[in-house]
Amino acid sequence: DTGVSQNPRHKITKRGQNVTFRCDPISEHNRLYWYRQTLGQGPEFLTYFQNEAQLEKSRLLSDRFSAERPKGSFSTLEIQRTEQGDSAMYLCASSRAVYEQYFGPGTRLTVT
Amino acid sequence: RKEVEQDPGPFNVPEGATVAFNCTYSNSASQSFFWYRQDCRKEPKLLMSVYSSGNEDGRFTAQLNRASQYISLLIRDSKLSDSATYLCVVIPTGTSYGKLTFGQGTILTVHP
Repeated sequence: DTGVSQNPRHKITKRGQNVTFRCDPISEHNRLYWYRQTLGQGPEFLTYFQNEAQLEKSRLLSDRFSAERPKGSFSTLEIQRTEQGDSAMYLCASSRAVYEQYFGPGTRLTVT
Repeated sequence: RKEVEQDPGPFNVPEGATVAFNCTYSNSASQSFFWYRQDCRKEPKLLMSVYSSGNEDGRFTAQLNRASQYISLLIRDSKLSDSATYLCVVIPTGTSYGKLTFGQGTILTVHP
């Protein structure tokens, strides 16, 4: 078990609704990452936090997406006005060192 | 052109077979390379790093050819438990925080 937890594990929502996902990293890890994975593809980087600071955002992260990491502990990823194209697995990873990222089990989002 | 490209397979091999996966990357200045393993409906997990001189971990051997921008993974004496998707991962140059860039993955099925 990697120690990264994500909630909920599954989310079904109707188009136009807002959703929020939570990630709890391994406790001593100061780096936290969000990725998105669609069927048949590898994960794609969305954003990165070091402690509470959001230091990088992918072009994939449109204005409808926002991520926070208050106090440098857990992180939330919110999607506003969901679209069917947002359906994917949202993965969170954390690390202490640059290269050793440990992934959580993911939140599978289905937008109907 | 995608930053990291893999043959998606699937590769279907019998137990005991040797199988090799290839991966190419587009950014010649990429700095770090990895193979991740992802079981069906699970999160990716680090299998091994890839070093310039090549490296081995039990039945797994990874090779890097910087001149050709090519990474390989060789699995010897395949086991049923090796069935998974194998993801080639690159960290682009200039990334100080470990943004992982994934290939689409190669599916391996080992049968009895």
